[in-house]
Amino acid sequence: DTAVSQTPKYLVTQMGNDKSIKCEQNLGHDTMYWYKQDSKKFLKIMFSYNNKELIINETVPNRFSPKSPDKAHLNLHINSLELGDSAVYFCASSQPRGRYGLETQYFGPGTRLLVL
Amino acid sequence: AQKVTQAQTEISVVEKEDVTLDCVYETRDTTYYLFWYKQPPSGELVFLIRRNSFDEQNEISGRYSWNFQKSTSSFNFTITASQVVDSAVYFCALSETNTGNQFYFGTGTSLTVIP
Repeated sequence: DTAVSQTPKYLVTQMGNDKSIKCEQNLGHDTMYWYKQDSKKFLKIMFSYNNKELIINETVPNRFSPKSPDKAHLNLHINSLELGDSAVYFCASSQPRGRYGLETQYFGPGTRLLVL
Repeated sequence: AQKVTQAQTEISVVEKEDVTLDCVYETRDTTYYLFWYKQPPSGELVFLIRRNSFDEQNEISGRYSWNFQKSTSSFNFTITASQVVDSAVYFCALSETNTGNQFYFGTGTSLTVIP
């Protein structure tokens, strides 16, 4: 049973297109995240949702729009794709903040986006 | 300033050697979590360990061990008798109690174990 799943795993598309990546978690977590990992492997937080409410919206172009229909799902829609959007996008989930900080994040397998 | 520093960008070792991956963190909080994640060539991010700031006891799990020292703000990871399957990028991360709502990831250390 996959704890955090993402679809699609690979996404190849043309510049200017609109695409979506879906994420689902069956861990019963309240908090979900989107990260972008660039070619140098640097992990950058993009968005964080807690129980369907947006908590973090880092400096991300507004072409990126997250949507959380329920607390088990967090989708990422990207408009007008650009070459620089090529990266691996990871979804993650965790329990809410604990006594010492944010709880362990469990990651999906990643979506490898290539914009041509 | 970087909250989590992994100064070793790339390390190569020969199989069966021991290797230590360094992680230095910076925080003003007294309560926090530290984490290690593994990203093998297949690309997924795998959680390895979490420690809280009050638990400085070293942890051992098979060939893996972690040395948490608050005095030097370090949370180092040692692989004993390395194997080819240990080849991966390893990330250290910090989560603070009072600051922000995010993990602070280091830039990762790419470990290659040569057979």
